[in-house]
Amino acid sequence: DAKTTQPPSMDCAEGRAANLPCNHSTISGNEYVYWYRQIHSQGPQYIIHGLKNNETNEMASLIITEDRKSSTLILPHATLRDTAVYYCIVRASANAGNNRKLIWGLGTSLAVNP
Amino acid sequence: DTGVSQDPRHKITKRGQNVTFRCDPISEHNRLYWYRQTLGQGPEFLTYFQNEAQLEKSRLLSDRFSAERPKGSFSTLEIQRTEQGDSAMYLCASSHPGQGMVYTFGSGTRLTVV
Repeated sequence: DAKTTQPPSMDCAEGRAANLPCNHSTISGNEYVYWYRQIHSQGPQYIIHGLKNNETNEMASLIITEDRKSSTLILPHATLRDTAVYYCIVRASANAGNNRKLIWGLGTSLAVNP
Repeated sequence: DTGVSQDPRHKITKRGQNVTFRCDPISEHNRLYWYRQTLGQGPEFLTYFQNEAQLEKSRLLSDRFSAERPKGSFSTLEIQRTEQGDSAMYLCASSHPGQGMVYTFGSGTRLTVV
């Protein structure tokens, strides 16, 4: 599975957009980009994933560059409750085989400030 | 069914004692995962079940660790002869076969070995 690189920490003002970058320059053609977040003392929470096209759901938007070597998670109007560690994970989503584990890095610690 | 449940939330045990944790996944999810997370690190994969079959086991899991999912529903993780290095958050997650690598995590069991 491709490795990812994320900044260790970021700050964002409440109400503004939070743009969290992720570099995955060795991504393969069949690998998806997944984003999870983990609020302090809770289990991780799935946010969004994508392969090539940009994706949007009720939580966030995911922008993937055309060459797929990097992506950005966008929280359009950050709130204090969005303060968390955000993990970018690259993984083939095929159901074949028994390798089902996700490899987690250190993520980006996002602090949303009032 | 509101999510993945883990019990207990916290466990303090003396070194050398055995401990057992329980995970109840979302009922429609046939895949169940155990991860371990230490402070400041991302989750580390321990093991994975599809229904009652344990299909993958990390080399991190020493002989002191065992996991079961006897009827393909709830799962237990047992640690025998606990050591201080076992202190961590133990996370359980489940997923639906049609949802790729989208996991739903529980809130975890925090183990402290004294």
